[in-house]
Amino acid sequence: EADIYQTPRYLVIGTGKKITLECSQTMGHDKMYWYQQDPGMELHLIHYSYGVNSTEKGDLSSESTVSRIRTEHFPLTLESARPSHTSQYLCASRAGGDGYTFGSGTRLTVV
Amino acid sequence: GESVGLHLPTLSVQEGDNSIINCAYSNSASDYFIWYKQESGKGPQFIIDIRSNMDKRQGQRVTVLLNKTVKHLSLQIAATQPGDSAVYFCAEKSVAGGTSYGKLTFGQGTILTVHP
Repeated sequence: EADIYQTPRYLVIGTGKKITLECSQTMGHDKMYWYQQDPGMELHLIHYSYGVNSTEKGDLSSESTVSRIRTEHFPLTLESARPSHTSQYLCASRAGGDGYTFGSGTRLTVV
Repeated sequence: GESVGLHLPTLSVQEGDNSIINCAYSNSASDYFIWYKQESGKGPQFIIDIRSNMDKRQGQRVTVLLNKTVKHLSLQIAATQPGDSAVYFCAEKSVAGGTSYGKLTFGQGTILTVHP
């Protein structure tokens, strides 16, 4: 069973709304990641964190922001959602080793 | 830049056959590779990994082969079952230092369909 949780699983929201996608893990992992994935396509890293108060932008430019105030929590925020933000957002975490654990994702649709 | 890509976007096999999914990577500094399985509506699930100091690694019904000379990775699934139907991604990571440290780079997925 996954120990990393994402909410909501599905979200349909209007253009211009502010949204926050939640990601929490109970494994005490220091490293956490946000990936963006279009259907059937590869995952693109948009944000990562190596610990509390540490956040970095990933390889794919994103208008979203993240915060890491607690080890277990790594929320992603869009201040003003647009249709171009429609995608699936996957959160992952890992300890010092190699294994990544992924959440089930949030499928976001902006209308 | 770094990239990881798959040769075939779709693969259809009969139940019981063996499946082979291929992946090419371009970053010669990549030294750790992972195969993930992603079922519809779920996040990627770890299948098997291999380090660059190995050529082959076996798991339960799965084998990963690494050819560093041609930067090629493959996943072999023995006796494929309908439950194996999913999208399969390869991913690479450089464990060296630098800005790419610890980050996975994914290729485009291959859709595996197993027919009963």
